[in-house]
Amino acid sequence: GDSVTQMEGPVTLSEEAFLTINCTYTATGYPSLFWYVQYPGEGLQLLLKATKADDKGSNKGFEATYRKETTSFHLEKGSVQVSDSVVYFCALSDPSGFQKLVFGTGTRLLVSP
Amino acid sequence: DVKVTQSSRYLVKRTGEKVFLECVQDMDHENMFWYRQDPGLGLRLIYFSYDVKMKEKGDIPEGYSVSREKKERFSLILESASTSQTSMYLCASSSSTGVHNQPQHFGDGTRLSIL
Repeated sequence: GDSVTQMEGPVTLSEEAFLTINCTYTATGYPSLFWYVQYPGEGLQLLLKATKADDKGSNKGFEATYRKETTSFHLEKGSVQVSDSVVYFCALSDPSGFQKLVFGTGTRLLVSP
Repeated sequence: DVKVTQSSRYLVKRTGEKVFLECVQDMDHENMFWYRQDPGLGLRLIYFSYDVKMKEKGDIPEGYSVSREKKERFSLILESASTSQTSMYLCASSSSTGVHNQPQHFGDGTRLSIL
């Protein structure tokens, strides 16, 4: 079945460092890909998405490019802030219908001043 | 903005009790979902619904049932709660337009403890 693999956390960085969180997927067909964030004690919020190969999703300084050839959707940010210290989830939308999401296990980011 | 409201943030119940978790969305979305979130396992789909009175099993439906009598409301039912069902439960909704590229909108979650 479809699956998403993302790097184990926590990822620890200093403020203003470059961020990469790796995400790879396996899927039949052509899924849409998403990054969600989760703040403490809250549900998930959409950060960005890409719906077809070579699309780049971007939001709040974060970017991810849908790479069909490597089945990847890595999240990047040029300069992280302490406020970026939350949990990040990579997900794909099952193309078979009903918009079910398959999630990775989540990566916690810790940014120190 | 889409609002998905879960009836309780925290809930404590006893083993064997019948437990109801309620979820309401205000954007007339066709699709609604229930997930549970556990450390190291991410989010796992329990049940989903794509229309009123319609329901489909997700990846881990055992021990759960659902009800969708109205479009805006999706209830998760634990028929006889067990300690293994202690978890964070998240409800989500999405629109059916655009096939599979519509994002899901999440509630804040219910942290359920079964004693």
